[in-house]
Amino acid sequence: DAKTTQPPSMDCAEGRAANLPCNHSTISGNEYVYWYRQIHSQGPQYIIHGLKNNETNEMASLIITEDRKSSTLILPHATLRDTAVYYCIRGRVDTPLVFGKGTRLSVIA
Amino acid sequence: GAGVSQSPRYKVAKRGQDVALRCDPISGHVSLFWYQQALGQGPEFLTYFQNEAQLDKSGLPSDRFFAERPEGSVSTLKIQRTQQEDSAVYLCASSLKVQPQHFGDGTRLSIL
Repeated sequence: DAKTTQPPSMDCAEGRAANLPCNHSTISGNEYVYWYRQIHSQGPQYIIHGLKNNETNEMASLIITEDRKSSTLILPHATLRDTAVYYCIRGRVDTPLVFGKGTRLSVIA
Repeated sequence: GAGVSQSPRYKVAKRGQDVALRCDPISGHVSLFWYQQALGQGPEFLTYFQNEAQLDKSGLPSDRFFAERPEGSVSTLKIQRTQQEDSAVYLCASSLKVQPQHFGDGTRLSIL
């Protein structure tokens, strides 16, 4: 049970912002929201995580709704190299990650 | 390098053979996780170490799977009497206790 819901696929034009939604309506108070992505033949790459505040780093921004039931990962200027499967995962620190099927993002030139 | 290193990158074995997969975590990382990823699926948890202690092995699919981390650093995942359904990518991740996990690129195991 992945415990999060994501659309199976999305397209985004190169240079535009990619907004990837995630639903985690049953998230517990001590669970974080983690985002990873996986490019073919590579291991999952950590992107960003947050508890309840919005977060930003050099890769992306994470917007978490006030009730914490959903979040959005934003890649501000998508490039072809951002084509990957994106996983939204909820979990406590230092515990195994439970992956779902993720969202396959295709960035189109 | 500074990342998680796994070896070999690819392994082909005949059904019934034993295999050993190695994971070198990021230096100083206390926690180490093993995952199995079947083709077209997300990774699935196998087992978890904190230093040398194996705290959770609930994801190991059978008693043919065994993992160890004797000195709290390098870890080995061993599969005995391999079967075709063991074919998958085996991923290792490490973390400082409260920090996100960082993954290696995995070992792709093919059982003929």
